[in-house]
Amino acid sequence: GAGVSQSPSNKVTEKGKDVELRCDPISGHTALYWYRQSLGQGLEFLIYFQGNSAPDKSGLPSDRFSAERTGGSVSTLTIQRTQQEDSAVYLCASRRQGALTGELFFGEGSRLTVL
Amino acid sequence: DQQVKQNSPSLSVQEGRISILNCDYTNSMFDYFLWYKKYPAEGPTFLISISSIKDKNEDGRFTVFLNKSAKHLSLHIVPSQPGDSAVYFCAASAASNTGKLIFGQGTTLQVKP
Repeated sequence: GAGVSQSPSNKVTEKGKDVELRCDPISGHTALYWYRQSLGQGLEFLIYFQGNSAPDKSGLPSDRFSAERTGGSVSTLTIQRTQQEDSAVYLCASRRQGALTGELFFGEGSRLTVL
Repeated sequence: DQQVKQNSPSLSVQEGRISILNCDYTNSMFDYFLWYKKYPAEGPTFLISISSIKDKNEDGRFTVFLNKSAKHLSLHIVPSQPGDSAVYFCAASAASNTGKLIFGQGTTLQVKP
C-alpha cells in the first residue's frame, strides 16, 4: 500500500483479555516502530525493529507486552491480560533503509479501550 | 524520566501572526531533532528537522532553531494559518542509538481566523 496500515482502527476489550494489533509498513521499509499515546500524553516509545537485528524492546512497559515482526514486514503487537491503563492509541511507523532518523511514516493508529 | 519536554500544552495565535513552539531536552547525547504535526484521528507527519551541527533550518513558513548550550529548540511558523491548527510534537534522537526517537508531550496550536 501507499502508507503504513494498521488494524483494527478501534478495539474495545474487557479487562483481562488479550489483544493483537497489526501493522503493515510501507513496502521496502526496513525499520518499524511502535509507539503509544495515552490520553493527554505524548508519544511513548515501545519497541523498534531494524532489519534482522535484535529489536530494541526498552520501551515495553511490562512483560504483558510483546511484539513480533515476521519476514521483515508485518508486525503484531500483543498485549496480554489487558488492564485499563493500557487504553491508548497505538501507533506504528516505518522508515526506509538509509533514511535520516527522522523520516518516520506513521499509520493512523489503533485505538484500544479496555473496559 | 522525560528527556524531551514541551512545557506549554497549548498555544493560541491570530492568523497571520507568528507561532512559536518550544521544546527542551535533557540528554546531551541527542544530536538530531525533529518536529511532527498531528491532526485528530491521523498519524503524526514529519514537518522539519535539524542536526546538532546547525542552529537553524528553514523550510517555507517553518523554521526550527536549536540552542545546544541551553538544550532548547523552537519551531517558528510565520505567517500562521488556520490549517496549521494541530498538535505539534518535538522529538530527538542520538546517533549512538540510531532510530529510537523520543517524543515530547505535544503542544496544541490553535490559529484563529
